[in-house]
Amino acid sequence: ELKVEQNPLFLSMQEGKNYTIYCNYSTTSDRLYWYRQDPGKSLESLFVLLSNGAVKQEGRLMASLDTKARLSTLHITAAVHDLSATYFCAAISGVWTSGSRLTFGEGTQLTVNP
Amino acid sequence: EAGVTQSPTHLIKTRGQQATLRCSPISGHTSVYWYQQALGLGLQFLLWYDEGEERNRGNFPPRFSGRQFPNYSSELNVNALELEDSALYLCASTKGWQANTGELFFGEGSRLTVL
Repeated sequence: ELKVEQNPLFLSMQEGKNYTIYCNYSTTSDRLYWYRQDPGKSLESLFVLLSNGAVKQEGRLMASLDTKARLSTLHITAAVHDLSATYFCAAISGVWTSGSRLTFGEGTQLTVNP
Repeated sequence: EAGVTQSPTHLIKTRGQQATLRCSPISGHTSVYWYQQALGLGLQFLLWYDEGEERNRGNFPPRFSGRQFPNYSSELNVNALELEDSALYLCASTKGWQANTGELFFGEGSRLTVL
């Protein structure tokens, strides 16, 4: 059974600093997703990583995927308060098929302090 | 273009009652997923419907059921409500599995409170 673990679960950082959130998954997955959730709100898709070595960037966030290590990272550069949210990664089991479903990590609650 | 819409936004029930939650997918999307987000438990997969059929089911008891209509909207029914069913129920949609990356687009959720 696929398990997805995020580290850390809670992250408090100062504005302007850099940090990385790690997402490990227990079985092979040919793709990885990152989502953001603001308090009381739904999930917003950030990145879809579809191959080994994939790297995507949007503003101060950059995500990468290493399928051999079963690891994805979400790097935050020069954090600002607006990035405060809970970040989820999600993987599938194996390759994408008609029976695939996303399994989510526990989420990383990020707080950026002035 | 309208996103995924869910109703009701909030629902309060008592133990033993039944709850029905509704979801309309993005136009052109044929797959609908349901997830439960209980406090402190992350997102747990409930059900997946595609083209009117149930494609996959999570580890939930049979009192959690649902269906997908010909217009691809979906209903989630929870029978014999228990206190631990209190959660945010999120619906997500995507294009059929063959035509997409698997990226899910989520609605705002229905918050169910069981007293």
